[in-house]
Amino acid sequence: AQSVTQPDIHITVSEGASLELRCNYSYGATPYLFWYVQSPGQGLQLLLKYFSGDTLVQGIKGFEAEFKRSQSSFNLRKPSVHWSDAAEYFCAVGAQDSNYQLIWGAGTKLIIKP
Amino acid sequence: KAGVTQTPRYLIKTRGQQVTLSCSPISGHRSVSWYQQTPGQGLQFLFEYFSETQRNKGNFPGRFSGRQFSNSRSEMNVSTLELGDSALYLCASSLPDIGELFFGEGSRLTVL
Repeated sequence: AQSVTQPDIHITVSEGASLELRCNYSYGATPYLFWYVQSPGQGLQLLLKYFSGDTLVQGIKGFEAEFKRSQSSFNLRKPSVHWSDAAEYFCAVGAQDSNYQLIWGAGTKLIIKP
Repeated sequence: KAGVTQTPRYLIKTRGQQVTLSCSPISGHRSVSWYQQTPGQGLQFLFEYFSETQRNKGNFPGRFSGRQFSNSRSEMNVSTLELGDSALYLCASSLPDIGELFFGEGSRLTVL
């Protein structure tokens, strides 16, 4: 069955430290991959996406993610987090042959220590 | 370009009542999806409409319904509200066959 796993429910990092949020997927087709961020009380905002090409993609707010087909992973990274990065992060996967219907991870809540 | 607009932003209902939520997509977007978000269940897909037709449907009871108008605006309705329907309902619009969703800020429903 198709699935997306974000193994970390919560992650706490110090301001200025580096960040990596994990996303693993199980998908038969060539996937389209997304990371979204949700600040408290807000809707979701697209951080970055991978459709094809260079497996290292750059997004907004200084985030990047790397698609590793052999590991079925699409981990999100940031070299130095800011207090404003505290939010919940969602990984999502879709494919053309499933009508682009996205499958969502459960989310990872990022807590920033001052 | 205006974003996705959801109304109302907050509402309180009692058990047994019904509620209608509205979503205006980004201009030019013909696909509208609805999600329910709760702390325990995360993001749950309700349904997707494209050109006034329901294209995909999640695993929700028939009390949850939706529709899309010719101008791509969408509404969802929940009848016979239950306490467990308390949630943030998110609407997202997209261009067809792209998959990238643009979300509204949500309608927060509290059922008492």
